[in-house]
Amino acid sequence: GAVVSQHPSWVICKSGTSVKIECRSLDFQATTMFWYRQFPKQSLMLMATSNEGSKATYEQGVEKDKFLINHASLTLSTLTVTSAHPEDSSFYICSASSSMGQGRYEQYFGPGTRLTVT
Amino acid sequence: AQSVAQPEDQVNVAEGNPLTVKCTYSVSGNPYLFWYVQYPNRGLQFLLKYITGDNLVKGSYGFEAEFNKSQTSFHLKKPSALVSDSALYFCAVRDIKGGGNKLTFGTGTQLKVEL
Repeated sequence: GAVVSQHPSWVICKSGTSVKIECRSLDFQATTMFWYRQFPKQSLMLMATSNEGSKATYEQGVEKDKFLINHASLTLSTLTVTSAHPEDSSFYICSASSSMGQGRYEQYFGPGTRLTVT
Repeated sequence: AQSVAQPEDQVNVAEGNPLTVKCTYSVSGNPYLFWYVQYPNRGLQFLLKYITGDNLVKGSYGFEAEFNKSQTSFHLKKPSALVSDSALYFCAVRDIKGGGNKLTFGTGTQLKVEL
């Protein structure tokens, strides 16, 4: 149980375009989803936390107008990178957690999305 | 602020030998500590966690971790390393203030197990 998927697993886009990444909890209701960014050989940096039906809470230094997060249902959150630039190229990982059940508040991680902006 | 530190960027071990990946923590209150493993271009896989109870925590794939309050450490261990254990390992601490569950990760330790 507690499976989280991400789509796409990798994407290449041109500078100036927008790209959407989906994060789905497949077998549980995710009341909270987290979005992380990871640069090569570095740790995960939390970008934002989103609760279902609410606006996302962004970490300091993360541009909310550039990284749009939507968590409209208990099984889906999306991250849209708007007007992408090469410096946005990174590995984006989502995680999901539930406030219910035995594994409540545990974070379950998706497999990640590799974004390359050319 | 809560934090974890992983002092080693890389650990090299021969297959069959015991391995240790170090982690120290700094928290106010009781720590909620985790270990995750990441294979190339993959998300994080949960290995084990310490919430309360026994200081020796057993996890997935034969890994265990020892919680040491006096040394504020939570080192990851395995009695006999496998080549397939080669991966990036992250220690993390949960911020439970206000009922939240944000995780703060260490910088990661690359484990390389050689034949």
